[in-house]
Amino acid sequence: DQQVKQNSPSLSVQEGRISILNCDYTNSMFDYFLWYKKYPAEGPTFLISISSIKDKNEDGRFTVFLNKSAKHLSLHIVPSQPGDSAVYFCAARSGNTGKLIFGQGTTLQVKP
Amino acid sequence: EAGVAQSPRYKIIEKRQSVAFWCNPISGHATLYWYQQILGQGPKLLIQFQNNGVVDDSQLPKDRFSAERLKGVDSTLKIQPAKLEDSAVYLCASSLTSLNEQFFGPGTRLTVL
Repeated sequence: DQQVKQNSPSLSVQEGRISILNCDYTNSMFDYFLWYKKYPAEGPTFLISISSIKDKNEDGRFTVFLNKSAKHLSLHIVPSQPGDSAVYFCAARSGNTGKLIFGQGTTLQVKP
Repeated sequence: EAGVAQSPRYKIIEKRQSVAFWCNPISGHATLYWYQQILGQGPKLLIQFQNNGVVDDSQLPKDRFSAERLKGVDSTLKIQPAKLEDSAVYLCASSLTSLNEQFFGPGTRLTVL
């Protein structure tokens, strides 16, 4: 039972353009969503998050959008840079246990 | 500030053997997590500790996996006996509290032959 899904295994964009990574979830009890970035041979690092009471959160080049009615969130990276090339995971949390449910990940390649 | 440390970084064993992984969380972090990441999938929580008590071990295969966090600091995860499907990266993470950001270690890549 995959509660958090990232249906695109990979994405390739040109440097300077926008990267849009998508994530869908099924559990309406999720109240907090996060994006993590992972380079090879390293652990995931936190990128940006959004509470279910908001529909948008921005941090520099990174913006996360949340559409609760569609149970969908997306991560926008503008402009994309070659250093953004990594695997991106979305994750969701419900309640106060801290337990994260991760999607399968999307590999982003930004071409110079 | 030192990050989450894990050892070993890589381990190759044969099925039915035993293996143990070690994690040293960030100093002062009360919550510690062990995740299993199988190739092509996202991390899956195996067990969560709050200090030295278990908060959630619902997805830990308790017939072969065990974990402990003595004195509420370091933690070890053990697999005995290992199966082929245990081949994965085992990630340790820690956070100040359960609602704070989780910081991940580099992981231990386990290959079971």
